[in-house]
Amino acid sequence: DAGVIQSPRHEVTEMGQEVTLRCKPISGHNSLFWYRQTMMRGLELLIYFNNNVPIDDSGMPEDRFSAKMPNASFSTLKIQPSEPRDSAVYFCASIGQGFHYGYTFGSGTRLTVV
Amino acid sequence: GEDVEQSLFLSVREGDSSVINCTYTDSSSTYLYWYKQEPGAGLQLLTYIFSNMDMKQDQRLTVLLNKKDKHLSLRIADTQTGDSAIYFCAPQRGGKLIFGQGTTLQVKP
Repeated sequence: DAGVIQSPRHEVTEMGQEVTLRCKPISGHNSLFWYRQTMMRGLELLIYFNNNVPIDDSGMPEDRFSAKMPNASFSTLKIQPSEPRDSAVYFCASIGQGFHYGYTFGSGTRLTVV
Repeated sequence: GEDVEQSLFLSVREGDSSVINCTYTDSSSTYLYWYKQEPGAGLQLLTYIFSNMDMKQDQRLTVLLNKKDKHLSLRIADTQTGDSAIYFCAPQRGGKLIFGQGTTLQVKP
C-alpha cells in the first residue's frame, strides 16, 4: 500500500485566495483525520470522519475552514479566504478497525499564506 | 478535555539510554501511542501500549504505563544519532489521538 497520500506537498498562496488540500486514505481504513501543526500550538485535530461522515469538527478554527469526504478514498480540506495565520503543516491520517496498527499519517502539506 | 504534557527537550550521548516522559489527564484512554517525527517529515508510529498493560518491549523500545499516576514513558536503549527527532505521546480518546507538544531528542556523538 502507498500509505496515506496528500497533495500538494507545498502550497504558497496569497492572502484571500482559496486553498484546497487533498488526502487519499489507506484503502479499507474507515476513519480519516485532519491535523494542523504549528510551532505555537503543536498538533491540533481539526476534524475527523468515520465512514465518510464528519464526527467531530470542534477543532475547525472558523467558518473559513471546511472539510468534505465524498467517498471512502478521498477527502478535502478547504480554506476560503486564506489568511497568513493559516500557515502551517496540515496532516491527514487514517485508521481501520485495528487500533493496534496505529494511525497512519501522510507526509503533510506545508501551507504558506503570504 | 484531554491534556498531555511532555518535557520539551532531552539530550543524551550516543549509546546511552533515553527516557521520554508523558503525563495525561483522561484515564479512559485505551490505546496510548508513541510517534516519531524527523525534520520536515510526517509522523511515524513507533509503538503503542494497551491500557491493561504495564509494560511493552519492542526491540530497543520499552514503554511503561502507570495508570494510577497517568504516566507514560518511552525508553530507547543504546540511543543512536538516527534517533534524533521529536517524539510525541498520543493517548487515544473517543477514536481520536490527542498529542502532547513533543519532546525533542538530541543525540550527541
